[in-house]
Amino acid sequence: DTAVSQTPKYLVTQMGNDKSIKCEQNLGHDTMYWYKQDSKKFLKIMFSYNNKELIINETVPNRFSPKSPDKAHLNLHINSLELGDSAVYFCASSQEGTGANVLTFGAGSRLTVL
Amino acid sequence: EDKVVQSPLSLVVHEGDTVTLNCSYEVTNFRSLLWYKQEKKAPTFLFMLTSSGIEKKSGRLSSILDKKELFSILNITATQTGDSAIYLCAVERGNTGKLIFGQGTTLQVKP
Repeated sequence: DTAVSQTPKYLVTQMGNDKSIKCEQNLGHDTMYWYKQDSKKFLKIMFSYNNKELIINETVPNRFSPKSPDKAHLNLHINSLELGDSAVYFCASSQEGTGANVLTFGAGSRLTVL
Repeated sequence: EDKVVQSPLSLVVHEGDTVTLNCSYEVTNFRSLLWYKQEKKAPTFLFMLTSSGIEKKSGRLSSILDKKELFSILNITATQTGDSAIYLCAVERGNTGKLIFGQGTTLQVKP
């Protein structure tokens, strides 16, 4: 069983379109995240939700809207896609433990905007 | 501004060599430092470090943290081709789960 699963794995679309990426975790974790990895391999946090509540909202254009229907799911909707949105988007989850949050990542969704 | 810097950015070695990867950081409200290995897809967790001077070890991999000098190293001994990957260092800021990542070190191990 995949712990953190994302769909789709690959997404190719035109500028201006709207698209969604879905994420589900079966680890029973309370917190879920979206990270973006650009072409230089930098991973940067976008959002985090704890038990359906938005906790972290980095400086991300408001074309990006996360939605968490329950604590096992965190989806990402992107409106009016731009070329610069091309990246790999990683979903992750964690459970607060002793001393740190250890994130478990999904396999990533590679978005290409043409 | 918070930052995590890894060095070298890339490294090519031969099987059997020992490598040391470096990670320095300046992060407000440091909580922990984590190492991840990224092959084709998802970063996979290697180590979590919270205290200075305590070595974490897993097989041929080991890591240590120096909170005074603000850095960590990841050692890999007797490297194998399967160790080829991007190694990511991340620092957790506060109790938020917000990880600030370095740019990664790309390691290539040749047969």
